[in-house]
Amino acid sequence: EVQLVESGGGLVQPGRSLRLSCAASGFTFENYGMHWVRRAPGKGLEWVSGISWDSRTIKYADSVKGRFTTSRDNGENSLYLQMNSLRAEDTALYYCTKDFASGMGFDYWGPGALVTVSS
Amino acid sequence: EIVMTQSPATLSVSPGERATLSCRASQSVSSNLAWYQQKLGQAPRLLIYGASTRATGIPVRFTGSGSGTEFTLTISSLQSEDFAVYYCQQYNNWPSYTFGQGTKLEIK
Repeated sequence: EVQLVESGGGLVQPGRSLRLSCAASGFTFENYGMHWVRRAPGKGLEWVSGISWDSRTIKYADSVKGRFTTSRDNGENSLYLQMNSLRAEDTALYYCTKDFASGMGFDYWGPGALVTVSS
Repeated sequence: EIVMTQSPATLSVSPGERATLSCRASQSVSSNLAWYQQKLGQAPRLLIYGASTRATGIPVRFTGSGSGTEFTLTISSLQSEDFAVYYCQQYNNWPSYTFGQGTKLEIK
């Protein structure tokens, strides 16, 4: 059974940093692209970042470019999101997602990690 | 960046009736479009990929159509469990994806 479990969320002050992790199991992690998606309170889904299976391609939404860094450790079956210079508008539930096939959407999602940026 | 626009924002339909949801892309995404369903307190679920192919386990009452810039998700004979928020997503430029803002399907 495929499982994605996010961790590392919490309350953080504006300007500070936070690192999310996603532990993957039930599939061959190193074969798939992975992504981060967020949903802010009262808003819709926003794609945040995607990383190829070999980490050679990493892309970010304009809203987080230069502040967030995505990485992965295929030996540990883990995905990471380093979030720096956090803003109130980064407050959201952050989902870890798995590419479906060779990138035709997301077939598995974690339950999400809540990040709240507030003083 | 490709902008995805969904309409309407809210759709009120009675159980047993048909619902039609629309999604428009700011530029062609070919058939690189997916639909998701999200219920309150749950993660989204993949319904349709490739604009018209149902994902594993998705009932046949869900039908996706369209290509290029205009897409439609049709749910025939709405069931109580279908009332949720629906999102379209383009994946034309992997791994840079974008979602529409969502359509809330509510009971009339």
